[in-house]
Amino acid sequence: DIQMTQSPSTLSASVGDRVTITCRASQSFSTWLAWYQQKPGKAPKLLIYKASSLESGVPSRFSGSESGTEFTLTISSLQPDDFATYYCQQYNSYPFTFGPGTKVDIK
Amino acid sequence: QVQLVQSGAEVKQPGASVRVSCKTSGYTFSNFAVHWVRQAPGQSLEWMGWISTANGNKRYSEKFQGRITITRDTSASTAYMELSSLRSEDTAMYYCARDPTSADNYFDSWGQGTLVTVSS
Repeated sequence: DIQMTQSPSTLSASVGDRVTITCRASQSFSTWLAWYQQKPGKAPKLLIYKASSLESGVPSRFSGSESGTEFTLTISSLQPDDFATYYCQQYNSYPFTFGPGTKVDIK
Repeated sequence: QVQLVQSGAEVKQPGASVRVSCKTSGYTFSNFAVHWVRQAPGQSLEWMGWISTANGNKRYSEKFQGRITITRDTSASTAYMELSSLRSEDTAMYYCARDPTSADNYFDSWGQGTLVTVSS
C-alpha cells in the first residue's frame, strides 16, 4: 500500500496569509493525487485533482503542484472560509489512500 | 444538481451487519462509479471499495475483503454498502462518493454520511 504523510499536522495562520501544505508518498508516482477540504460535521469537498487541476467552482486561490514524490497544496491568500482540515488522496494504485490531514486554524 | 443522499444513522451490536444506502439524483447513475469511504471519530479517511454502476463490477480494499459487499440498483439509482461481522473498530461515519469519470478514482460529490455505531 502507498502510505501518505502530510506536513504540518496543524497550521496556525491569519487571514491573508499564504499557506502551503505538503503531502509525501511512500512510493513514487505522479499526477494521480487529489486534495480535499473538510469542515467539522461535513463531508469532504474536492479542491484539486490530477495534482494540479482545479475543480470547477473552487476559488483560484487554491492551487496544487508536484515535484517527485512531494505534492503541495497552496492557498495564496487565506480567507475565513478556509479554516478547515485538508486531506490528500492518492489514486495511483489500490488501495486508494488518504493522508492523515492538516488542520488549518486561526492564529 | 448532483446529490447523493444516504440512509440514516445505525446502532448495531458486535457481530451484526449493517447496510447503508446511497440514493443519487441529478445525473445519469450508470455513467459514474460509486465508492465508499469511512472515517472513524477524529481520524482520517479510509477507502473501502467501489462499484461500477454500469456493469456491477466491483473492487474492495483487502482490509475489508470477506466482510464487505457493495451492490447497486440501477432502477432506483441507488448504491448499497453492507459490512458484516461488525466490531467496535467499525464505529465510523460512512460516506458514498461519486467518481466523476468512472476511471479516475477521485471523488467530486459525496453523500452526507451515515454514522454507524457498534456497541453492546
